[in-house]
Amino acid sequence: GQNIDQPTEMTATEGAIVQINCTYQTSGFNGLFWYQQHAGEAPTFLSYNVLDGLEEKGRFSSFLSRSKGYSYLLLKELQMKDSASYLCAVRDSNYQLIWGAGTKLIIKP
Amino acid sequence: DAMVIQNPRYQVTQFGKPVTLSCSQTLNHNVMYWYQQKSSQAPKLLFHYYDKDFNNEADTPDNFQSRRPNTSFCFLDIRSPGLGDAAMYLCATSGGTSGSSEQYFGPGTRLTVT
Repeated sequence: GQNIDQPTEMTATEGAIVQINCTYQTSGFNGLFWYQQHAGEAPTFLSYNVLDGLEEKGRFSSFLSRSKGYSYLLLKELQMKDSASYLCAVRDSNYQLIWGAGTKLIIKP
Repeated sequence: DAMVIQNPRYQVTQFGKPVTLSCSQTLNHNVMYWYQQKSSQAPKLLFHYYDKDFNNEADTPDNFQSRRPNTSFCFLDIRSPGLGDAAMYLCATSGGTSGSSEQYFGPGTRLTVT
């Protein structure tokens, strides 16, 4: 079967750095997405990785290792508004998006 | 602003009473998706349209139907809602299904079944 694994919940301090990991086992790979979802709202797109390496976008960076089936989302200079769930999703060989359950990130002052 | 719009934002229906959720988009995207998401769970794809081509997920219950009368609109019909169908229903669109085509989500409709 296809599977995406992420930690259920993480806590970090305002101003700090946090890394949210995602491991996947899917039938084929055609890209990995990270989305942010605030409570009660819809997911919004953060990043896309299809080649190995790091993609940086302001305070957020996303890393991919296809050989390890592994990605992480790195959030720097954490702000209270970053409190949200972060969902990892992989596009498989059929171009379907397989979603993780999300990591709930709690930011403390 | 180009966007994905869902109506209503909150819907209460009675057990067994049919309900229709609507989605419209101004992005002119080919692909439209309907997801069901329950608390702290991954979004579950119910079906998607690539233009007029309808794609039903194998485990989507027959109770759920969809219509896409034109590029801009898509509807989700729940014929006989059960208590287990209470969830957030998310509509999303994308310009394609390959490459970096990300999905754009509407704000969702939260369905309560009494």
